[in-house]
Amino acid sequence: GAVVSQHPSWVICKSGTSVKIECRSLDFQATTMFWYRQFPKQSLMLMATSNEGSKATYEQGVEKDKFLINHASLTLSTLTVTSAHPEDSSFYICSARDGARAISRTYNEQFFGPGTRLTVL
Amino acid sequence: AQSVAQPEDQVNVAEGNPLTVKCTYSVSGNPYLFWYVQYPNRGLQFLLKYITGDNLVKGSYGFEAEFNKSQTSFHLKKPSALVSDSALYFCAVRDRGTGRRALTFGSGTRLQVQP
Repeated sequence: GAVVSQHPSWVICKSGTSVKIECRSLDFQATTMFWYRQFPKQSLMLMATSNEGSKATYEQGVEKDKFLINHASLTLSTLTVTSAHPEDSSFYICSARDGARAISRTYNEQFFGPGTRLTVL
Repeated sequence: AQSVAQPEDQVNVAEGNPLTVKCTYSVSGNPYLFWYVQYPNRGLQFLLKYITGDNLVKGSYGFEAEFNKSQTSFHLKKPSALVSDSALYFCAVRDRGTGRRALTFGSGTRLQVQP
């Protein structure tokens, strides 16, 4: 249980195009999802926190108009990198928090997706 | 503000020997503490967590960690290392006293287990 999937696992795109990354909680309801990015040999940096049905909260320095986050349902959040440039190339990882059922064994835990490697040419 | 320090970029240990990966944290309140492992081009896999209760926490794959409040540390340990333990390890913290649910990660420590 408590599986988070991401799609695609990798993507290569041309500069100036937009890329959408999906994050799904497969067997639990994710009231909160988080988006991180990781540069080579570096740690995960939080980009934004999204709560189902409301606007995402972005970390300082993260452009909300460039990194569009939608969390329309309890099992799906999407990150769209708009007008991607080579400097946006990174490993993007989502995590989902099981916050729907307080009696659940996994309540309040975060589960991470496998990541999406974005390469912008 | 919450922060995590992993002072070692890399830890080398021989297979069969005990291993320790260090982590210290800083929070204004009480911490939730986590260890994750990452294999190349993969997401993070949960190893263990400290929420409350016993200071010694046992997790997956034979790993354990000890919460030390006075030293604000949460070092990861394993009695006998395996070559397959070679990976990147991240310590993470969340301050229980704030409404912030996101984790703050350390810089990561690469564990290399030699056969």
